[in-house]
Amino acid sequence: AQTVTQSQPEMSVQEAETVTLSCTYDTSENNYYLFWYKQPPSRQMILVIRQEAYKQQNATENRFSVNFQKAAKSFSLKISDSQLGDTAMYFCAFKAPQGGSEKLVFGKGTKLTVNP
Amino acid sequence: SAVISQKPSRDICQRGTSLTIQCQVDSQVTMMFWYRQQPGQSLTLIATANQGSEATYESGFVIDKFPISRPNLTFSTLTVSNMSPEDSSIYLCSVWRGRTGEQYFGPGTRLTVT
Repeated sequence: AQTVTQSQPEMSVQEAETVTLSCTYDTSENNYYLFWYKQPPSRQMILVIRQEAYKQQNATENRFSVNFQKAAKSFSLKISDSQLGDTAMYFCAFKAPQGGSEKLVFGKGTKLTVNP
Repeated sequence: SAVISQKPSRDICQRGTSLTIQCQVDSQVTMMFWYRQQPGQSLTLIATANQGSEATYESGFVIDKFPISRPNLTFSTLTVSNMSPEDSSIYLCSVWRGRTGEQYFGPGTRLTVT
């Protein structure tokens, strides 16, 4: 069974600085997707960034980028130039469509607070 | 992206009653999912709903308690039956766009059972 681990329950960062959220996962699959979702207090789950395992290049979306280390099964999220609106719960998630299970497996989340 | 709406956005229900949550997507999707998020927790998959077939339930969730309908490719309902306070959670609908490898979530339904 696939598992996703987020080892940082809470983190804080000063506005305009950079923060990295950690995520590790465990799987025997070779082809899969990894995601970071943001959930503000309004509770809407927002897809921040995704990475396909077969792609060696790290995904980037504006201020958000990932460090994908397939061999180490690590998928960290870097937020540059942090903004107050980045304050939210961040969930790392894994999906292996070819594994027979279509479900998205989530980590427990990291609560990020951006301080002014 | 996908535009997903859920009704109701929140409700307060009495113990022993049932609530049906609706999920509407702006375009056809093959796979729809229902998740539960208990207070302060991560998301747990309840079931996968494919059009034209019975929903597939995860361990710990049963059809009698969480019946699901999927009448077409843009709509699904989840019913929470015979509710107890332990059912107080946020229930989220989600869709998978296999072609783009992206999964999106609705705004959620906040259920409180008294």
